[in-house]
Amino acid sequence: AQTVTQSQPEMSVQEAETVTLSCTYDTSESDYYLFWYKQPPSRQMILVIRQEAYKQQNATENRFSVNFQKAAKSFSLKISDSQLGDAAMYFCASPIQGAQKLVFGQGTRLTINP
Amino acid sequence: DTGVSQNPRHKITKRGQNVTFRCDPISEHNRLYWYRQTLGQGPEFLTYFQNEAQLEKSRLLSDRFSAERPKGSFSTLEIQRTEQGDSAMYLCASSWGGNQPQHFGDGTRLSIL
Repeated sequence: AQTVTQSQPEMSVQEAETVTLSCTYDTSESDYYLFWYKQPPSRQMILVIRQEAYKQQNATENRFSVNFQKAAKSFSLKISDSQLGDAAMYFCASPIQGAQKLVFGQGTRLTINP
Repeated sequence: DTGVSQNPRHKITKRGQNVTFRCDPISEHNRLYWYRQTLGQGPEFLTYFQNEAQLEKSRLLSDRFSAERPKGSFSTLEIQRTEQGDSAMYLCASSWGGNQPQHFGDGTRLSIL
């Protein structure tokens, strides 16, 4: 079965600093995508960044970037220049081929200290 | 693009009652997904539609749960004879085809008294 694991239930960082959230996954598929989603308190889950497994280059979206290690099945999210608005639950997710239903990790609650 | 819309935002009901939730996906999206999220956990897949066809249901979806997507547009999720364990956030998401990011609604929070 496909699994996604986030080993850090909570993280905190000082405003303007950099933080890295960890994610490991297990899949038998040869071609797949990985996603990071952000869920602010009582608000909608939104896509932060997407990585295609066949691409060697790590995805980047403004202050958000990933460190994708395919052999190690690791997919970490780096947030640079952290802002107060980055405070949220962050979920790593991988879709299962075919249905493309998402399998989510347990989430990491990120706190930004002013 | 008005986003995925879910109604109601909150539903409080007594155990044993039936409830129905509605999801309006992004209009051009052909896939629609339902997930359930309990406090402090990641969402878990319940079921999904491609157009009007319900193509997969999770084992989490007991016989008390039913979902429809008539005409491939909005979808409804009904829970019959609600139980305490049904208390959760029910999330709807839509996408255009496979391997495309899913866009989520705000969810419907169900509380069973």
